[in-house]
Formats: sequence, C-alpha cells, structure tokens
Amino acid sequence: NFMLTQPHSVSESPGKTVSISCTRSSGSIGSNYVQWYQQRPGSSPTTVIYEDNKRPSGVPDRFSGSIDSSSNSASLTISGLKTEDEADYYCQSLDSNNHALFGGGTQLTVL
Amino acid sequence: QVTLRESGPALVAPTQTLTLTCTFSGFSLSTSRMSVSWIRQPPGKALEWLALIDWDDDKYYSTSLKTRLTISKDTSKNKVVLTMTNMDPVDTATYYCAHVTMGGHYDYWGQGTQVTVSS
Repeated sequence: NFMLTQPHSVSESPGKTVSISCTRSSGSIGSNYVQWYQQRPGSSPTTVIYEDNKRPSGVPDRFSGSIDSSSNSASLTISGLKTEDEADYYCQSLDSNNHALFGGGTQLTVL
Repeated sequence: QVTLRESGPALVAPTQTLTLTCTFSGFSLSTSRMSVSWIRQPPGKALEWLALIDWDDDKYYSTSLKTRLTISKDTSKNKVVLTMTNMDPVDTATYYCAHVTMGGHYDYWGQGTQVTVSS
C-alpha cells in the first residue's frame, strides 16, 4: 500500500497564492485520480477538486488541481486567497484494492 | 438531490459493538456504479477510511480494521449499516457516510455522527 503525505500547515496573506502538496509514497500518482476536500471546523468535508483537476459547480476558479509525475505528487493551488478559504484540506486517492486513502490534512491559515 | 444522514448511539461502552446507520436519498444502491462508504475522524485528527459497499454488494474494508467491521445494505430502505465490534476509547470519533463515484470521488457526505467510547 502507499501513503499520501501533506504538509501539516501552510499560511499566506489574503490576495496571495498558496499551493498544498500531496506526495504519494509508492506507485505512480497518475495511477488513480486525486481529489481535494475542504473541511471547515465543525463541518463535513466538501470537494474543491476531483479527478485531479476538475472543479465541482459552485467552487470558484481560484481553486485548481494538478499532478506532477516528476515529484509523484498532486497539488492544490488557491489564488486570490480569501479569509473564507481558511480551513483544513485533505487529498484523497484509491489504491489497487479500491480502498480510499486520505492524506494527513493541511491546515491553511489566511492571515 | 443526494443526501445522507448518519444515526447511531452517541456513547458506547468499551468492548461493546457499535452499529451505525446511513440513510440516504437521491440515488439507489441497486443502480449500477453506486457506492456508499464510511469514514471516521477522531477529534483533531485526519480522516480515516473504513469501508465501502457497492451496487453489486461487493464489500471493501480497511486492512487494519477489517476483522472488526461489517458493512451491509438494505436497498429497499435506502440504508447502509456499519457495525464495529470490540469498541475502544481510541475509536472515539465522528463517523461519516458518503456517496462514492466510480472514480473514487466522495462527492456527497452526511453531517457526521459523534461517537464516544467510554465507560
């Protein structure tokens, strides 16, 4: 099996751009789709990116996702940061047995 | 419109069995490619995947917890049930159920149900 590793926390100022990485420990990051979920305190996770780089309706285009095979990682990029973007973000993928794996989560602070 | 709602006891004694029910609407688990999964989140910690059941009654379990978990569905009642045996205080968490797409996207989540394991 493999792990998805995220930075524990990131911080940036309003209006700036931040990227959160999600590194797959073994196997190719491109083998299975990567999703990104936003979770605000006391709420359930909601999708901001699915299938590597697709945005659900209602998610602003300030959110984008990408895959980098050279670093075997996925990235979530948020541009034009707003205070409302402050939340925990989780990446997620599947293994070969159809088991879901979640990254450890990244706490985003917009200060 | 897809909705899911978890229900179950808020407090469970150590060694007892936890039974959680996910009641959903807006889709049918008898329809091809539909799946429902359980995920939990201990206080202040990350999401942890537990189990999944699909339209064909195939079942998948977390490797570390598979001896303690059973997932089942009642298609006629739009319910999915998860049982977890031999509960321990480390199992204290919010338990979520979610609808899952074929690509492994957890696109709809319930609001979660908080379970505390304590005597």
